[in-house]
Amino acid sequence: EVQLMESGGGLVQPGGSLRLSCAASGFTVSTNYMTWVRQVPGKGLEWVSVIYINGNTHYADSVKGRFIISRDNSKNTVYLQMNSLRVEDTAVYYCARNWEYDYWGQGTQVTVSS
Amino acid sequence: DIVMTQTPLSSPVTLGQPASISCRSSQSLVHSDGNTYLSWLQQRPGQPPRLLIYTISNRFSGVPDRFSGSGAGTDFTLKISRVEAEDVGVYYCMQATRFPVTFGGGTKVEIK
Repeated sequence: EVQLMESGGGLVQPGGSLRLSCAASGFTVSTNYMTWVRQVPGKGLEWVSVIYINGNTHYADSVKGRFIISRDNSKNTVYLQMNSLRVEDTAVYYCARNWEYDYWGQGTQVTVSS
Repeated sequence: DIVMTQTPLSSPVTLGQPASISCRSSQSLVHSDGNTYLSWLQQRPGQPPRLLIYTISNRFSGVPDRFSGSGAGTDFTLKISRVEAEDVGVYYCMQATRFPVTFGGGTKVEIK
């Protein structure tokens, strides 16, 4: 059974850092396209970042230069390193699989506040 | 970026009656490979999004056949043939034809 489990969220001050994890089971992250999407509670969905099978990465303009997506094949996990966090980064962060976004995790809340 | 516009914002529906959601993109979603990467997601209250439909009209595994998708180019529709209580939630269209992936603003389906 395909499952995704995010973790690592929490409360952080502006300018701080967090690393989110997306642990996968039932499939191999290295042979799939993995994405991070965020959602401000009560609002819509915003694409954040993607890591392709070949390791190439892309970022939304709003996070470029501050966030880094990576994966650890030995742990079957995808990460989102978030630096220089801003209040507007406050959201629930989801990981999702493939271009169809066929499976989603439950999400992890990130709150940036002083 | 491609802008995805959904209508209506809210759709109060009587149980057992049909519902329809429209999604319009600011550019054609036909990819150079010939596919149209338009999907529909459902988000029930307190839950993560869930894939319903991909490439316009293909139902994902386990999705009831009362859900159907149609359209082409820039205009797309999600239909629920007979709304059930478990269909309450917000529905999003999304395009993955052109980078970056973008989502519609969402349509809330609620029971009258």
